Amino acid sequence: QKEVEQNSGPLSVPEGAIASLNCTYSDRGSQSFFWYRQYSGKSPELIMFIYSNGDKEDGRFTAQLNKASQYVSLLIRDSQPSDSATYLCAVRMDSSYKLIFGSGTRLLVRP
Amino acid sequence: DADVTQTPRNRITKTGKRIMLECSQTKGHDRMYWYRQDPGLGLRLIYYSFDVKDINKGEISDGYSVSRQAQAKFSLSLESAIPNQTALYFCATSDSREGATDTQYFGPGTRLTVL
Repeated sequence: QKEVEQNSGPLSVPEGAIASLNCTYSDRGSQSFFWYRQYSGKSPELIMFIYSNGDKEDGRFTAQLNKASQYVSLLIRDSQPSDSATYLCAVRMDSSYKLIFGSGTRLLVRP
Repeated sequence: DADVTQTPRNRITKTGKRIMLECSQTKGHDRMYWYRQDPGLGLRLIYYSFDVKDINKGEISDGYSVSRQAQAKFSLSLESAIPNQTALYFCATSDSREGATDTQYFGPGTRLTVL
């Protein structure tokens, strides 16, 4: 079982819709959770991080964390074609300072 | 200017050649990392360094070595390149003063092809 799992997609949504991206992780001791966006051939760029149960909102993005169920999700409201990219979930497990990355979910926003 | 730079950006080399990838940062961060990315496999950690005197192996260090020449510089070497080391390589940095969040910031990447 992979330590951090994401559906590879592609997830296709129409412009203006809500895109929902999910990530599950195996280590219950995980402390911090990150969402990165990566355009094809480019480097990952941080969208947001979360470390407390519940929701965290930043503009059109909302991260949701449920430690009991061991999942973290990213909602993108009012999706735009420019949001089309691969979204990487990363988890910092226990007291380690290393990040474990999922393989990413490819999002396509149709105009 | 970019905070994290990588050189070269693209490199084609032959099996058995020694190659060095370099990373420099102006963010003042103490921690630096090297990852490789392969299609469908996400980012995998090769080596990481928490300061100049601290070097640690990641999950896929075999066939690689690193050098932390200064706080701002971290280089990755392939002593004898092989075709399955063809990948996209990223350097990243983070600041231990951030504590639990310790966000990593990535360089632009080096696309390496080993023939």
